[in-house]
Amino acid sequence: EAGVTQFPSHSVIEKGQTVTLRCDPISGHDNLYWYRRVMGKEIKFLLHFVKESKQDESGMPNNRFLAERTGGTYSTLKVQPAELEDSGVYFCASSRADRYEQFFGPGTRLTVL
Amino acid sequence: AQSVSQHNHHVILSEAASLELGCNYSYGGTVNLFWYVQYPGQHLQLLLKYFSGDPLVKGIKGFEAEFIKSKFSFNLRKPSVQWSDTAEYFCAGYGNNRLAFGKGNQVVVIP
Repeated sequence: EAGVTQFPSHSVIEKGQTVTLRCDPISGHDNLYWYRRVMGKEIKFLLHFVKESKQDESGMPNNRFLAERTGGTYSTLKVQPAELEDSGVYFCASSRADRYEQFFGPGTRLTVL
Repeated sequence: AQSVSQHNHHVILSEAASLELGCNYSYGGTVNLFWYVQYPGQHLQLLLKYFSGDPLVKGIKGFEAEFIKSKFSFNLRKPSVQWSDTAEYFCAGYGNNRLAFGKGNQVVVIP
């Protein structure tokens, strides 16, 4: 089965611009998660979808971040406007409804200049 | 959510040496613990997991971890490392519908 995919793999933007990251979970996985790793820090939770519903977005840094999962399939994470401190690697993960084990995508490395 | 902490963030060792990476967790009810690995240029992969039962857990690629409740620890071990074990290793705990990660251990194995 295909794994979790993310696009793009790298993004370099200037402060103030908008960037949209995409995640395609494993087919049939109801749970979709976004995590972020800022350089030198641990991987931190951003939010959790169950199908198309946001279950928990308590980890989102501020209202410049908007995540969607229309139709319960792929998800997008938009940062608008981007700030320098948004730089980092954004990971997406998915899991089956009845399992704790999460499968991760390769991540998107975002650099804000 | 359950939190975890990792120590000795950078580890350098020679091939055939033994590896042990420490992970301590904070008690948050049900214990669900994981070790993930990220090889250079690759995505995070699950090495092993512990939910209950036998506290000695066997994972892929010869790794194992021991859950010691009295010490709140879930240390990762490998008796004899190879150059291909060069990677970053993450301990994680599951709680409140999310994973909480440690800071990671960057392990470099010298041929």
